[in-house]
Amino acid sequence: DTGVSQDPRHKITKRGQNVTFRCDPISEHNRLYWYRQTLGQGPEFLTYFQNEAQLEKSRLLSDRFSAERPKGSFSTLEIQRTEQGDSAMYLCASEGARRETQYFGPGTRLLVL
Amino acid sequence: GNSVTQMEGPVTLSEEAFLTINCTYTATGYPSLFWYVQYPGEGLQLLLKATKADDKGSNKGFEATYRKETTSFHLEKGSVQVSDSAVYFCALSRYSGAGSYQLTFGKGTKLSVIP
Repeated sequence: DTGVSQDPRHKITKRGQNVTFRCDPISEHNRLYWYRQTLGQGPEFLTYFQNEAQLEKSRLLSDRFSAERPKGSFSTLEIQRTEQGDSAMYLCASEGARRETQYFGPGTRLLVL
Repeated sequence: GNSVTQMEGPVTLSEEAFLTINCTYTATGYPSLFWYVQYPGEGLQLLLKATKADDKGSNKGFEATYRKETTSFHLEKGSVQVSDSAVYFCALSRYSGAGSYQLTFGKGTKLSVIP
């Protein structure tokens, strides 16, 4: 399968713990997005990478959140000192040379207790 | 700013019924418009898209036409099946100026099709 993959699919953690999620985009795609989806809502943009450069960050991305894309391949999203309000589905999408068509991964569902 | 408004669900239809899910948008300039579908426990799948006014996107029997005059992109299907049960999201994208074509989504409409 050459689609976008995310790991883990589910994560339960206690408030105050740190968590890290991984996204592996479609191999030839050099653009990568992270979105957050809360229950009953549509996804909201968090951040954007072109190759290894993080070019955009949403106001939703507080200083407890950090994202990286070393070597322009996979990406990680880390949340430090998790809060109950961080409970959501975290979605990754990749985009290739054909702009404006984003392919989504299955998401990581985070529950903060 | 950009925004998308779609009809609230849930929508329950009998198999073979006609489906319409309304979607309107607010954006400056000329956004591209999308419908994504999310099946239970899965990520979003692109269903169809349209990039300019009067374009019609179509896929798997679903259609939507980009209407600039009414700022709408309503999703239609002539005869729904049980397998179409899912959550449908309308979305728009515009170039941000900083490199991305980030998507702005509506809240989603849950469709349930009963036999």
